[in-house]
Amino acid sequence: AQSVTQLGSHVSVSEGALVLLRCNYSSSVPPYLFWYVQYPNQGLQLLLKYTSAATLVKGINGFEAEFKKSETSFHLTKPSAHMSDAAEYFCAVVEGGSEKLVFGKGTKLTVNP
Amino acid sequence: DADVTQTPRNRITKTGKRIMLECSQTKGHDRMYWYRQDPGLGLRLIYYSFDVKDINKGEISDGYSVSRQAQAKFSLSLESAIPNQTALYFCATSDSRRTGQETQYFGPGTRLLVL
Repeated sequence: AQSVTQLGSHVSVSEGALVLLRCNYSSSVPPYLFWYVQYPNQGLQLLLKYTSAATLVKGINGFEAEFKKSETSFHLTKPSAHMSDAAEYFCAVVEGGSEKLVFGKGTKLTVNP
Repeated sequence: DADVTQTPRNRITKTGKRIMLECSQTKGHDRMYWYRQDPGLGLRLIYYSFDVKDINKGEISDGYSVSRQAQAKFSLSLESAIPNQTALYFCATSDSRRTGQETQYFGPGTRLLVL
């Protein structure tokens, strides 16, 4: 079965600093990969997705992620953190054959002034 | 208006009570899903439905049942609620007939507390 590992349940950065949230997946076939964001007291919103087109995927709010097959990674980055980026971020993969999303456990991002 | 709505948004109930959480969508999607979110565990799939007559168990279906009353409505029931079902519940939808079919769209969530 597919699985997703998010390294670091909590990440803290200063405003203006680089944001790097890590995600590794297990898959024997090319996956579809997603990053979702959950702002406090809200549902999940799609940030970006990889569907086997370009390996560098740009999403909303200045975020991007790079698919690296050799490293089975799909890390999320943003060059300069903003206070409004404080949220919980989930990496997810579509399980081959069933089209079910499998989520990582989430990374809570704190942005310090 | 939101595309995926969930009612109620918050609910407190007692152990042993039957409770239903409802999800409606105006996106015209054929697939619907129920997840629960627990701190530190991410989202886990409870049930999913690929159309009105196709309902499937997810990772953690024990203690839950569902009903797909129409393409736009998917309800989750806890027949006899227990405290470890206290969680945040999300409904999601996707459309198998379009490009980007693998993308799921989430409702705002229902926060359930079982005492």
